[in-house]
Amino acid sequence: AQKITQTQPGMFVQEKEAVTLDCTYDTSDPSYGLFWYKQPSSGEMIFLIYQGSYDQQNATEGRYSLNFQKARKSANLVISASQLGDSAMYFCAMREGPYNFNKFYFGSGTKLNVKP
Amino acid sequence: ETGVTQSPTHLIKTRGQQVTLRCSSQSGHNTVSWYQQALGQGPQFIFQYYREEENGRGNFPPRFSGLQFPNYSSELNVNALELDDSALYLCASSTGQGEGGGYEQYFGPGTRLTVT
Repeated sequence: AQKITQTQPGMFVQEKEAVTLDCTYDTSDPSYGLFWYKQPSSGEMIFLIYQGSYDQQNATEGRYSLNFQKARKSANLVISASQLGDSAMYFCAMREGPYNFNKFYFGSGTKLNVKP
Repeated sequence: ETGVTQSPTHLIKTRGQQVTLRCSSQSGHNTVSWYQQALGQGPQFIFQYYREEENGRGNFPPRFSGLQFPNYSSELNVNALELDDSALYLCASSTGQGEGGGYEQYFGPGTRLTVT
C-alpha cells in the first residue's frame, strides 16, 4: 500500500483565495511525523510545515496550516491568500517512528497554479 | 537557502558508466540522506548516513552506494548506470534526533543526472 497518497495531480486557484491540497497516509506506527514541502521549478525542496502524530493542535506557519485528522489519516495543507509565487509542486511526506527520522516517504505531488 | 550544497548541478553519462555525486551538509548537521526523484514523481529514499555509517536504506540495488566523511559531507556513487537512473538526486541533512536534533531535514538544490 502507498504510504502517502496525493490524489490531486494539478490544482488551480485564483490569487488571494485559499486552497486545500489533499494528503492521506498509511502507517501502523503510533509515532510519525507529517510534512509538506514546496518544490519550485528550480528543484529545491522547501520545508513548509510539520505535524507530529501526538500533537493535539493543527500546525500553522504563516499562511500555511495543516488540517490534521488522525482518525481519517489525512493531513491536508491549506494555503490562505494565495500568491503568484505559490505556483509550484507540493509534496506531502511522512517520517515513521522516532528513530527513522530521515527516512521520508513522499507522495506523488500536486502541481499548484495560481492565476492572477 | 538551506546551506546544503550539491555538485555538480547537471551531469550527462552514458549507460554502463559510473557516477559520483557530492553533497555538503549544513553546518552542525551529522546526518545526510539521499533521494532519487524521477520526472513527475515524488522523491524516493535511497539511504542515509549518520556519523559516517549507513544506517538506513531504501529499495535500491547495491550498485547505489555512498560514503560520509568526517566533516559529514557525503557522496553517492552509482555503478553500471541504466537509463532509468536518469533523475534528480537530492541530498538532505539534519541533526541526529538522539543528539537533541529535531525532525526537520534541509534539502540541497539537487543534481540532475541524464543517462543516455
